[in-house]
Amino acid sequence: DAGITQSPRHKVTETGTPVTLRCHQTENHRYMYWYRQDPGHGLRLIHYSYGVKDTDKGEVSDGYSVSRSKTEDFLLTLESATSSQTSVYFCAISERLASHNEQFFGPGTRLTVL
Amino acid sequence: SQQGEEDPQALSIQEGENATMNCSYKTSINNLQWYRQNSGRGLVHLILIRSNEREKHSGRLRVTLDTSKKSSSLLITASRAADTASYFCATDRTSGSARQLTFGSGTQLTVLP
Repeated sequence: DAGITQSPRHKVTETGTPVTLRCHQTENHRYMYWYRQDPGHGLRLIHYSYGVKDTDKGEVSDGYSVSRSKTEDFLLTLESATSSQTSVYFCAISERLASHNEQFFGPGTRLTVL
Repeated sequence: SQQGEEDPQALSIQEGENATMNCSYKTSINNLQWYRQNSGRGLVHLILIRSNEREKHSGRLRVTLDTSKKSSSLLITASRAADTASYFCATDRTSGSARQLTFGSGTQLTVLP
């Protein structure tokens, strides 16, 4: 999985609790992304980062926040988890040279909110 | 909203046959990419075709792009059981000040031995 790790890989939590997912890369790529994957929806972009401390919202950002204090780490936080946030979360990275935007994906985190 | 939509949603073929998956999209793109996802794993990039290209090959993969119809197809020739996976198209487009990938909902390909 191209030098990308995600932790935890599985998590079960209760509604209303805060949850933080971590993405760590060893590729020194500038761009990092958080997606969620749900049946019938493919992958949807939550937030992305284009550098340290530089982040922006994606298609489904409500209820999520992110932080990037180092090039290698991108954190996704659910401030107060809801059952609708039960999903598989994928982190991705890209170097985004010129006309390319090939992304490399982590193994995913399966989150269940009860 | 979904930028790319794959068709069919599911496809089952015999080993050795060719598999064709289609992707339609709505707005102008910089390029279109195809990814593969094995069950329980992350996505893996397969091939990228730029908006000024019409066809591209990579091993047993052939991708076409018709920007006038806003559609692309992925052909896998001489399929193998190991090709069983979900396949996603992703459109690379400029949205505001950033370029983003927008994924379709995927085609589940099953190759029977």
